[in-house]
Order: sequence, then C-alpha cells, then structure tokens
Amino acid sequence: GEDVEQSLFLSVREGDSSVINCTYTDSSSTYLYWYKQEPGAGLQLLTYIFSNMDMKQDQRLTVLLNKKDKHLSLRIADTQTGDSAIYFCAACLSGTYKYIFGTGTRLKVLA
Amino acid sequence: GAVVSQHPSRVICKSGTSVKIECRSLDFQATTMFWYRQFPKQSLMLMATSNEGSKATYEQGVEKDKFLINHASLTLSTLTVTSAHPEDSSFYICSASGQRGLANQETQYFGPGTRLLVL
Repeated sequence: GEDVEQSLFLSVREGDSSVINCTYTDSSSTYLYWYKQEPGAGLQLLTYIFSNMDMKQDQRLTVLLNKKDKHLSLRIADTQTGDSAIYFCAACLSGTYKYIFGTGTRLKVLA
Repeated sequence: GAVVSQHPSRVICKSGTSVKIECRSLDFQATTMFWYRQFPKQSLMLMATSNEGSKATYEQGVEKDKFLINHASLTLSTLTVTSAHPEDSSFYICSASGQRGLANQETQYFGPGTRLLVL
C-alpha cells in the first residue's frame, strides 16, 4: 500500500527558509497536500498540488513535486516563530478520497 | 471558508460509559466525512470513512461495534465510543470533503479535534 515518509525534526533560525521533505510510494496519487498542526489543534490546510504540476507558489509557501522520484517538498520563506508546528504531508489515493499521512515533521523556529 | 467544527473539544468520562463526538461542516455540504485517531507525537490514523446516508467503512483493525459512526445529514457526522476504556483515550479528529463552489472535492477540511480521557 501507499507509504508516506517525512523526516521527524527540522530546526531553523527566524528569517531563514525552511524546507520540509516528503516521499511517497504510490505514483498514481492524484493530489498531494501539506497541513499544519499546532499543539492541541486540528489540521490546517496550507496548500495542495495536483499530480500533473511540478510547482505551486502561494505567498511564503512553495511546493515542489518531483513525480519521477515521488518526492514532495514544502519551502517556507522568511520563517517566523509562529510557523513552529508539526507539518504533515498527505497523499490522496487514486480513485478514493482517502489520504495517507506522513509521519509529520516538527518544525522549530529559533528566535 | 470550508469550516469544520467538533464538539466537545475535551471530554473526560468514566470507564464503561459511552461518549458521542459531533463533527459538523459549517459552510459546505460534506458528502464524505472521515474519522481519525491521533496518539501523542504520532501521525493520524484513519478509523473510518462515512458517506451521508450509508454505513461507514471501517479500516482494518477498527472495531465497528466499539466506534459507532452515523452520518445522518450532509453537515453532521457523529462518532460514539461505546463502553469506553482507558486505552480509548486519544485525540479524535474528523474531516469533511464535499463540493463547495470551485473547491477541490477531494480536499479534506479538518475539525479542531476532541481530546478524550477515559478514567
């Protein structure tokens, strides 16, 4: 079945860029998503990319998709302390509405 | 837009009692709702998928008689944890997807979660 992997931790200084990486195994995944989760809260949709795109930019967020390598990344420009959270990537299984979530990357922004 | 609410946000109950958690889509019709469970510092585990007016589809290993799901309308789904035990203590999150204007129908919008503690 689909497997989605992320690195567990990332620490950056305020003002730097953060890059969070994700790999997945199901090449037929149609949509790929990035969600943010703050402590004790639900998941906030940040952005998504359709599988026929290779890049999407939305203000400080840039998503890159390498479909050949099944690699997805989220770049946050000018990272702020408020960006500290857990970031999940999720792949939507082809032909279903089900998501497979990655393990989550805990981003810590140092002032 | 695409707001999903959950109620209650926190609940503490005694072992053996049943707890109902509500999930509502506030500004769109949710043809499909999902229920997840999240353990501390872990990812989300899909428990079941429910479509309005039909029986929920449970993931392997999830007891359907233990976790009763009802999706009676296009804006409301409920999860009832029956005869709760301490091992059921967890963070339960729902999500909803459905058509809303030009919104991507496959996108799931998440509720804020319900923290259940069973004593």
